[in-house]
Amino acid sequence: AQSVTQPDIHITVSEGASLELRCNYSYGATPYLFWYVQSPGQGLQLLLKYFSGDTLVQGIKGFEAEFKRSQSSFNLRKPSVHWSDAAEYFCAVALSGTYKYIFGTGTRLKVLA
Amino acid sequence: EAQVTQNPRYLITVTGKKLTVTCSQNMNHEYMSWYRQDPGLGLRQIYYSMNVEVTDKGDVPEGYKVSRKEKRNFPLILESPSPNQTSLYFCASSSPGDRTDTQYFGPGTRLTVL
Repeated sequence: AQSVTQPDIHITVSEGASLELRCNYSYGATPYLFWYVQSPGQGLQLLLKYFSGDTLVQGIKGFEAEFKRSQSSFNLRKPSVHWSDAAEYFCAVALSGTYKYIFGTGTRLKVLA
Repeated sequence: EAQVTQNPRYLITVTGKKLTVTCSQNMNHEYMSWYRQDPGLGLRQIYYSMNVEVTDKGDVPEGYKVSRKEKRNFPLILESPSPNQTSLYFCASSSPGDRTDTQYFGPGTRLTVL
């Protein structure tokens, strides 16, 4: 069955430090991959997406993600975290041939001043 | 302003009392979807709609109904709510019904079923 795994439930980093959030997927076909951010009490906002082409994709707010087919991963990175990045981050897969989406369980990011 | 609106934002109800959560978008999007968010489970898709009168089940459709009579509206209906449907619900839309396109999410509806 298709699935998305975010192995880190919570991550704490200091402001200015680099960040990497992990996402692994299980899906037989080429996936369409997304990262969303949810600030406290808010809906979700798209950070970036990958569906073809360059495996390193740039998103908003200085985030980037790299698709690695051999590792079934789509990790999110940011070189220098800001206090405003504290939020919950969700990785998601859209299944080809359908309009179904599968989300990971989320990673909650805490940023220390 | 382009947006997805949901009403109500908060609702407390009792078991078995039918309720409807409305969702409306002003972006002329073809695709709309409902999700529920529960701690430790992330977001799970309930139903989605590719266009007017075209809907399909997501991963957790049991206990829910939807309808898409107009392009802009996609209400979620709980005919007989139960406590296990206590959750945070999100509606989303995207265009032109392309699953690679950005989904725009509403602000959420927090439902408590007693």
